[in-house]
Amino acid sequence: KAGVTQTPRYLIKTRGQQVTLSCSPISGHRSVSWYQQTPGQGLQFLFEYFSETQRNKGNFPGRFSGRQFSNSRSEMNVSTLELGDSALYLCASSLVQGGLGDTEAFFGQGTRLTVV
Amino acid sequence: KQEVTQIPAALSVPEGENLVLNCSFTDSAIYNLQWFRQDPGKGLTSLLLIQSSQREQTSGRLNASLDKSSGRSTLYIAASQPGDSATYLCAVRNTGTASKLTFGTGTRLQVTL
Repeated sequence: KAGVTQTPRYLIKTRGQQVTLSCSPISGHRSVSWYQQTPGQGLQFLFEYFSETQRNKGNFPGRFSGRQFSNSRSEMNVSTLELGDSALYLCASSLVQGGLGDTEAFFGQGTRLTVV
Repeated sequence: KQEVTQIPAALSVPEGENLVLNCSFTDSAIYNLQWFRQDPGKGLTSLLLIQSSQREQTSGRLNASLDKSSGRSTLYIAASQPGDSATYLCAVRNTGTASKLTFGTGTRLQVTL
């Protein structure tokens, strides 16, 4: 059974550009969450999507956005990139929405974003 | 606001030793707690999930316990091996904001030959 797939694995972008990251959850999983990991802040929650609806959002500026498609695949977008956006972006999928039954989270390998 | 702390931040042990990693959280209103391992530059691998109604979970050489009322969880690794070297993270899912996991800062474990 395939795990969570994130593409691309590595990205280098220039300040001011925008970027789109993709996440394909485990087959049958309907919840997708995104996290940012940096050495200084650790793992921080960005947002969760379930059935194409954003259910929860972390404390990040509006430059960070996302969406989920009908096949549960998700994308996150960061506009007007800043140097501080350099991080490992991780996607997690769960069978159900957080708080409803078995919500074991499975993570992808992440996308390493470097902003120069 | 939930805060998760992991002690120690780093640990080095010789191969074969049994060890305990600690995780504490400030808000006991949790839905579940999950332990992960992360290898350098990689994603997170789920090790164990403990529901709030459970006291412990076991998988192979790993045993995780949960004491919700005192806000503590421990991960016990038996007969450690060099392949266990990684960063171990615990994360809690609160009942009020069950969509998200709140992570600790991790314990970096090195198992030496």
